[in-house]
Amino acid sequence: DADVTQTPRNRITKTGKRIMLECSQTKGHDRMYWYRQDPGLGLRLIYYSFDVKDINKGEISDGYSVSRQAQAKFSLSLESAIPNQTALYFCATSVPSGSNEQFFGPGTRLTVL
Amino acid sequence: RKEVEQDPGPFNVPEGATVAFNCTYSNSASQSFFWYRQDCRKEPKLLMSVYSSGNEDGRFTAQLNRASQYISLLIRDSKLSDSATYLCVVIEKADSWGKLQFGAGTQVVVTP
Repeated sequence: DADVTQTPRNRITKTGKRIMLECSQTKGHDRMYWYRQDPGLGLRLIYYSFDVKDINKGEISDGYSVSRQAQAKFSLSLESAIPNQTALYFCATSVPSGSNEQFFGPGTRLTVL
Repeated sequence: RKEVEQDPGPFNVPEGATVAFNCTYSNSASQSFFWYRQDCRKEPKLLMSVYSSGNEDGRFTAQLNRASQYISLLIRDSKLSDSATYLCVVIEKADSWGKLQFGAGTQVVVTP
């Protein structure tokens, strides 16, 4: 079983709709992240959380919100989706150690029409 | 200007050949460097860290050039399974905060 899972894997929605992307992990990591990937731009950080009571904005947080319901769960919401939020979204986890390795979920492909 | 820049490629490489490519970073205070591998439509996975003295992992060799602010990845004896996009990742602070700056990736296509 995958250590980091994301649901849904694919989603097509319309402009103005509210969308929630969910991430769960069984790795026991405290740190969780949400990224989006666009062609030619690389991954960009949306939000990150170091524990259940900690939420921090990344470089492109406008239009998004997050919820860290438990150590294992980190949800990303688009309150009113717009077409330029069409992208591949990745959740990731890490531990606060020197390796800095991040472990990614399989991604959610979101299309906003 | 992007903080981490890569040649998008694709680098078309015959099987068994050697391929090398670089990644430049803009912040001279950058401390930690990595190469991640991403297969088509899949998640990125850590390939290797890049140490100041350079390091090797099997057929893969990573180098760091702080003076010119770039890192490199060399793949020897390329295999078909090496076809992927290679992401350069830079961390600006050498602490436990794992905030990564990603390059857009270099695509490598190994052909029979």
